Amino acid sequence: KQEVTQIPAALSVPEGENLVLNCSFTDSAIYNLQWFRQDPGKGLTSLLLIQSSQREQTSGRLNASLDKSSGRSTLYIAASQPGDSATYLCAVIWNYGGSQGNLIFGKGTKLSVKP
Amino acid sequence: KAGVTQTPRYLIKTRGQQVTLSCSPISGHRSVSWYQQTPGQGLQFLFEYFSETQRNKGNFPGRFSGRQFSNSRSEMNVSTLELGDSALYLCASNLRVAGELFFGEGSRLTVL
Repeated sequence: KQEVTQIPAALSVPEGENLVLNCSFTDSAIYNLQWFRQDPGKGLTSLLLIQSSQREQTSGRLNASLDKSSGRSTLYIAASQPGDSATYLCAVIWNYGGSQGNLIFGKGTKLSVKP
Repeated sequence: KAGVTQTPRYLIKTRGQQVTLSCSPISGHRSVSWYQQTPGQGLQFLFEYFSETQRNKGNFPGRFSGRQFSNSRSEMNVSTLELGDSALYLCASNLRVAGELFFGEGSRLTVL
């Protein structure tokens, strides 16, 4: 069964700290992996999309890496700010022969950045 | 450029009733997918539509159904509501199948 796991479920850090969020997935035959942010009671905001052929993607203070062989992705947030407080979700699309399946989500990491 | 629009944002129903939720994708996006989010189960895939055809379906009972119109707008329907159907229902669109997903704000359904 294909699964996405995010550990820890919650993380609290002081403002200004660099931090890493982890995502692991079963089965390396992925099509792509996407990181999202969700604020309380809101929808999801796409942060970064990594195709299976890529090793990393960067957007501003965010950097996401992908290691298919170990079934891991990390989201690095530099110089964290209170406004970064949210739940971060990792989601994977797997390949099924010549087609792609649907997006499978992890349960998320709830990040709190203290001023 | 307008994002994904979901209506209604909030609704309250009673057990046994039915509900229809609407989703307007980003202009030009032909793929629409639906997800149910609950505190216990997290985000679970309901179904995906592309060019009016259901491309994929999650593991939900037949009470959950959907459709997509020629203008790419989509609706999902839940019949014979149960208390466990209380959730945030999220719609997402993308330009192509398996491309980057863009989500709406969701429709929060409460079943009493």
